[in-house]
Amino acid sequence: DTGVSQNPRHKITKRGQNVTFRCDPISEHNRLYWYRQTLGQGPEFLTYFQNEAQLEKSRLLSDRFSAERPKGSFSTLEIQRTEQGDSAMYLCASSLNSGGNNEQFFGPGTRLTVL
Amino acid sequence: AQSVTQLDSQVPVFEEAPVELRCNYSSSVSVYLFWYVQYPNQGLQLLLKYLSGSTLVKGINGFEAEFNKSQTSFHLRKPSVHISDTAEYFCAVSVPTGGGNKLTFGTGTQLKVEL
Repeated sequence: DTGVSQNPRHKITKRGQNVTFRCDPISEHNRLYWYRQTLGQGPEFLTYFQNEAQLEKSRLLSDRFSAERPKGSFSTLEIQRTEQGDSAMYLCASSLNSGGNNEQFFGPGTRLTVL
Repeated sequence: AQSVTQLDSQVPVFEEAPVELRCNYSSSVSVYLFWYVQYPNQGLQLLLKYLSGSTLVKGINGFEAEFNKSQTSFHLRKPSVHISDTAEYFCAVSVPTGGGNKLTFGTGTQLKVEL
């Protein structure tokens, strides 16, 4: 069990550029979540997948954001035309949906800085 | 919708002293409750969770929490803290049915343990 991994760990970009982050969940986990954490705040839910299906998206996820999980394994989160307000830590978590025990395991996060 | 309130943004405490981090939640339905810890530049690690059953929950690193339904609280306690407990602590809730078990977090409490 290598845990949840995220790449890159840090990304600095200029306003208007597109960025893509990758999350590799724990291998047998069928659920994958994306959260965003800004300075001084708790993580906020963005979206989640059950296998390859994206089942819910938060209103925080504007049209510039898109997430995929094409084969039900790794996931990507793309932000188009980045804005300074997108600067945050983007956290990925995975869980095994079995009954009520849905412990989410978090990755180390990708810190995005938009200049 | 659910919400979580962590009234204390920072809690300073001397090493070996007891500590309590407060968490109150709001929900019209039954919830699961969690405490996570976040060390600098790392993801979140689960300390403990309440799903059902005994209202006193024991977690890792000597932490425990008590679910109080009438007061809608889930305060985190440790009888004797260590320097290594210095970190950010987040209380979170999820809804057992529907909603994909996504987590709603509080704004966090920074625990600073001093010598």
